[in-house]
Amino acid sequence: DQQVKQNSPSLSVQEGRISILNCDYTNSMFDYFLWYKKYPAEGPTFLISISSIKDKNEDGRFTVFLNKSAKHLSLHIVPSQPGDSAVYFCGGSGGSNYKLTFGKGTLLTVNP
Amino acid sequence: KAGVTQTPRYLIKTRGQQVTLSCSPISGHRSVSWYQQTPGQGLQFLFEYFSETQRNKGNFPGRFSGRQFSNSRSEMNVSTLELGDSALYLCASSLGGGRGNQPQHFGDGTRLSIL
Repeated sequence: DQQVKQNSPSLSVQEGRISILNCDYTNSMFDYFLWYKKYPAEGPTFLISISSIKDKNEDGRFTVFLNKSAKHLSLHIVPSQPGDSAVYFCGGSGGSNYKLTFGKGTLLTVNP
Repeated sequence: KAGVTQTPRYLIKTRGQQVTLSCSPISGHRSVSWYQQTPGQGLQFLFEYFSETQRNKGNFPGRFSGRQFSNSRSEMNVSTLELGDSALYLCASSLGGGRGNQPQHFGDGTRLSIL
């Protein structure tokens, strides 16, 4: 039972354009969501999070949008840079526990 | 501030052996979680420790176990290794108090290969 789904295994965008990564979840108990970026041979790096009491959170070039009714969240990167090329994981947790459930990731490639 | 440190970075074992992986969390962090990453399954939660107690557990067999020490350092043990245990094992730490709405910070992982 995959509670967090990232339906696009890969995404390719041009430098300077917007990257939009999507994530869907099924567990209604999830109330906290995070995005991580992962380079090969390194651990995931925390990017941005959002609590279910919000529908948007922004940090520099990164914005996460949460649509609770659709159980959908997205990460927008504007403008995209070649250094953003990595695998992006979406994760969710809820019910006051620390168990993070992740999607399988989306490989973002930003072309110069 | 030092990040999460995992040792060793690489490990090769044979089937039937057992292995212990180590994780030192960020100073001040009291929660340590372990995840397994494989190409087919992505990142899967193993367990989480807080104040030396296992607080959350994923759906892995009893061959996977862990513990946490009073200084918040954690170890994970896998007994009777199987070929399918080959994976990247990641440790993550967070402050741990209150609700679970805190980011977890990951180490670079231990790459375990079973021959």
